[in-house]
Amino acid sequence: DTAVSQTPKYLVTQMGNDKSIKCEQNLGHDTMYWYKQDSKKFLKIMFSYNNKELIINETVPNRFSPKSPDKAHLNLHINSLELGDSAVYFCASSHPTGRETQYFGPGTRLLVL
Amino acid sequence: GQSLEQPSEVTAVEGAIVQMNCTYQTSGFYGLSWYQQHDGGAPTFLSYNALDGLEETGRFSSFLSRSDSYGYLLLQELQMKDSASYFCAVENQGGKLIFGQGTELSVKP
Repeated sequence: DTAVSQTPKYLVTQMGNDKSIKCEQNLGHDTMYWYKQDSKKFLKIMFSYNNKELIINETVPNRFSPKSPDKAHLNLHINSLELGDSAVYFCASSHPTGRETQYFGPGTRLLVL
Repeated sequence: GQSLEQPSEVTAVEGAIVQMNCTYQTSGFYGLSWYQQHDGGAPTFLSYNALDGLEETGRFSSFLSRSDSYGYLLLQELQMKDSASYFCAVENQGGKLIFGQGTELSVKP
């Protein structure tokens, strides 16, 4: 009965590798997001999709590519991982008219060595 | 530019009342949200103010003054489990939720 789920929960990998994080929500929301939280707990939006359409694309390196196969799923693929990509990545979802109330997944802790 | 300012940390004792402030500067403003995040956990929505005034939900209250670009979260009857980071967030014209740096609340016995 999990609302927003992410896999994997932990990801340890070498620089230069390519990795993906998956997110699924069963809340029936149309809007999904990816956030990055750094070591100082600063939470910053990366992307937002509404019903499979990209609506927010922050200044993020193009090594990061989101993909939404349907409105319940939003995946994040990262190419050529760098040390600075180490962070916690959160997926979230909301109603399009209720963006102030977002439901976050448990996070994916990425460590690039 | 867009920015939100919160005190970095606050300490209080069990049973007390604590107020955590947030001032913001943003292009377009729809409302102020508050989120709680325990160590190792995910941010969890607490409250939202679109209009001036106080919103109360149990032990938690949130206040907004749009003219002062200021809000606060008030926690009453503090419990140890309230120790967490508290983030204010503003939704701007672009539909983005911009988060503050968060206030780390430590509740002592």
